[in-house]
Amino acid sequence: GQQLNQSPQSMFIQEGEDVSMNCTSSSIFNTWLWYKQDPGEGPVLLIALYKAGELTSNGRLTAQFGITRKDSFLNISASIPSDVGIYFCAGQRTSGTYKYIFGTGTRLKVLA
Amino acid sequence: DAGITQSPRHKVTETGTPVTLRCHQTENHRYMYWYRQDPGHGLRLIHYSYGVKDTDKGEVSDGYSVSRSKTEDFLLTLESATSSQTSVYFCASQGDGETQYFGPGTRLLVL
Repeated sequence: GQQLNQSPQSMFIQEGEDVSMNCTSSSIFNTWLWYKQDPGEGPVLLIALYKAGELTSNGRLTAQFGITRKDSFLNISASIPSDVGIYFCAGQRTSGTYKYIFGTGTRLKVLA
Repeated sequence: DAGITQSPRHKVTETGTPVTLRCHQTENHRYMYWYRQDPGHGLRLIHYSYGVKDTDKGEVSDGYSVSRSKTEDFLLTLESATSSQTSVYFCASQGDGETQYFGPGTRLLVL
């Protein structure tokens, strides 16, 4: 099945550093979602993006809907240990197709 | 977040036995989904529903069936469980706002 390309697959960073990850596709998307999944839990929605070029923040998290509509980016500023987890992107190709396609995830580990 | 619960949260069963997982949402969402999550594969769609009694197959539907007799409940059944169905199963629901919300997951081990 189709999945979005998400990179990096995993990363170790020092506490306090900024983090960037992205999601790309060959298809155009109308909606992008970013989720975080803690160990043993379900994915939790962080940010939703509905318009090309849109930049949306949620605390230390900022996500952008790429201008080409084929990519999206998530940045975490000043990382803290509780940022550890797996971050997933999800894209919806058209408004009439309500299903989402998910990225393979970026596993983030923060070193105190 | 939407009020989505899954039951059971953990289950151990034997090969060949039927298993039913339940998803319950309190948000009156129209769309509901069942995914499985396995290492190296991310989230893969098993079945989904776009209304009461309206369901369709996802990308990994073989060996699974679903039913939705009420808006709030979406059941996933493994007719005859196999070891390859050992996984973590997530339910999700989605309203007209187009954002999808996930349940806490069910860990299934098939021996």
